[in-house]
Formats: sequence, structure tokens, C-alpha cells
Amino acid sequence: NAGVTQTPKFQVLKTGQSMTLQCAQDMNHEYMSWYRQDPGMGLRLIHYSVGAGITDQGEVPNGYNVSRSTTEDFPLRLLSAAPSQTSVYFCASTRSRQNTGELFFGEGSRLTVL
Amino acid sequence: AQSVAQPEDQVNVAEGNPLTVKCTYSVSGNPYLFWYVQYPNRGLQFLLKYITGDNLVKGSYGFEAEFNKSQTSFHLKKPSALVSDSALYFCAVRREAGNNRKLIWGLGTSLAVNP
Repeated sequence: NAGVTQTPKFQVLKTGQSMTLQCAQDMNHEYMSWYRQDPGMGLRLIHYSVGAGITDQGEVPNGYNVSRSTTEDFPLRLLSAAPSQTSVYFCASTRSRQNTGELFFGEGSRLTVL
Repeated sequence: AQSVAQPEDQVNVAEGNPLTVKCTYSVSGNPYLFWYVQYPNRGLQFLLKYITGDNLVKGSYGFEAEFNKSQTSFHLKKPSALVSDSALYFCAVRREAGNNRKLIWGLGTSLAVNP
């Protein structure tokens, strides 16, 4: 029972490079989301999706894109990495948007932008 | 506006003693309240929730939380702390219903349980 799987666990980028953080869940959850966690700032929602083909912005969406072509996968794309995007990124899912308080989190992806 | 406050950045407690991690909130309407735990270099794990009913809710790993509507608080408690409880704890709130059901997170409280 894998739950929420994130890859890669660690990544170092140079400013201006692009990359995709992968997220997959095997629980048939409708709702998926991406957060970033920074010291002193807690968790901030980047983007979320309430089902395949539907995505929406969270509180800090700039510089990130998402898509949801399947129920299982919700990749996060950094278009042109900046040092301000150095962070730990978490993917989280739950059964539906009515259950947004009971999230299942991945183990995180630690990104450093030089 | 909805908000969550965790007034203590760090809580230190001796093993075997009771622990409390504080959370206060502000939300219009009926709140849904949640606690999560994050162990070092891990993702967050759901601990417990308050939706309605008994003000004292029980969760995973022996934790419980008390909802106090008049004080708008939802403090996390455990009768006897373990060293393995040392972690980062997050409180979160969302509205019961309506268009905006996004979670609002506290900034976290670091719990250190000393042997």
C-alpha cells in the first residue's frame, strides 16, 4: 500500500532550469494538492485539483504549473527555477474536497535552487 | 478572515509528564479542526479531528484534543509524553461548508520530550 509517492526526494537546480516534481497516489483520491514548507512560514498551498482535468490555484501559485490528466498523478512543474523556490515540497491527497482536513501526505521533495 | 495561531514555537516536557500543545483559531461559522504531526524528514500525518459532538476527541498514538468554543481553542494533549513524541505539530482549521473549504494552517509547534 504505497499511499502518496513523491519523486525525486532531493534535487538541486540552477537558476532558470525547469523541472517536474512527480506525485502519484494509489488510493483513488479525487482531491490532490501541492504545498511548500518553509521555516517560519508553515505550509502554503501552491495548487490543488478536485478531480481529473480540474486544477486551481492556491495561495502561492506563481512560478508553478500543474496538470491532472489522471486520477492518480498530479505533477508540479517549475517553469524557470529561482532561489526563492528553494523549499520542501509536499504532495497531499484525500478522498474528496469535502475531506480536505484529512490529508495523506507524501514524504516530501527537497529542492535547492542555486 | 480565517486564521490559526499556535502561540508556542517550542514546547519542552519531561518523559512521563503530561503535554499540551496550544492552538487557537478564528473562523466564521462552525469550525472543522485538525491536528497533524511531522516527524523529522517525513511528511505530515493526520492525528485527529473535531467536526461536531464531544468536545474531547481522541486520535492516534494516545493523543487527544479539547475543543473549547468560548475560547476558540483546540489544544492537543497527551497524559504521558514519550521521547518518540518529539516532532513538529500543526493545527489546522477550515470552514464547515461553503465555497471556501481550504485548510488554514498554523505555523507549527516543535515538541521536545526529554528523557
